[in-house]
Amino acid sequence: EPEVTQTPSHQVTQMGQEVILRCVPISNHLYFYWYRQILGQKVEFLVSFYNNEISEKSEIFDDQFSVERPDGSNFTLKIRSTKLEDSAMYFCASSEPAEAFFGQGTRLTVV
Amino acid sequence: GQSLEQPSEVTAVEGAIVQINCTYQTSGFYGLSWYQQHDGGAPTFLSYNALDGLEETGRFSSFLSRSDSYGYLLLQELQMKDSASYFCAVRDKDRDDKIIFGKGTRLHILP
Repeated sequence: EPEVTQTPSHQVTQMGQEVILRCVPISNHLYFYWYRQILGQKVEFLVSFYNNEISEKSEIFDDQFSVERPDGSNFTLKIRSTKLEDSAMYFCASSEPAEAFFGQGTRLTVV
Repeated sequence: GQSLEQPSEVTAVEGAIVQINCTYQTSGFYGLSWYQQHDGGAPTFLSYNALDGLEETGRFSSFLSRSDSYGYLLLQELQMKDSASYFCAVRDKDRDDKIIFGKGTRLHILP
């Protein structure tokens, strides 16, 4: 069964450092997403990506964040200068019209 | 914009039936989905209702009333493994490039 894969599963970084979170969506899906979940809170939308460009982004997705699909399979989320409050689980998802498939997430800890 | 309301916590007994409600307000509407998330895991798709009525998948059923902007997830014959958070989610009809989640309902199951 096709699945969304994310790497790494855990990432610890120092405040101010750049991190890149990687995702391989399901190959025949057209929409890709990044979501964030702070421990114990709801799943928050960050950004959606369609046709090789951002289609929508939330107010959380400020200039510190960027996404790319560099090679037609990988889908990356970059945080340029991490802050303590960026510590969260980051989920990548890709979707069909009715159903979104989530990766297992990357737990980012900023220290 | 979109907003979804669901109870923060529900407690039920093993073997019983529980209903988790969700009300929504959206500028457009493309369907109501339900996702399950176990602690430390990724959200996984449970069901999708585009039309009014009840959709049944094994022990889980989901209902939608578009006129009332209301839906629910019904879990029957509860098992301990059903202890998880359950999120309702909507997709905007006009821009199906964003899936918005409710804050989630934490289901506690007592033996």
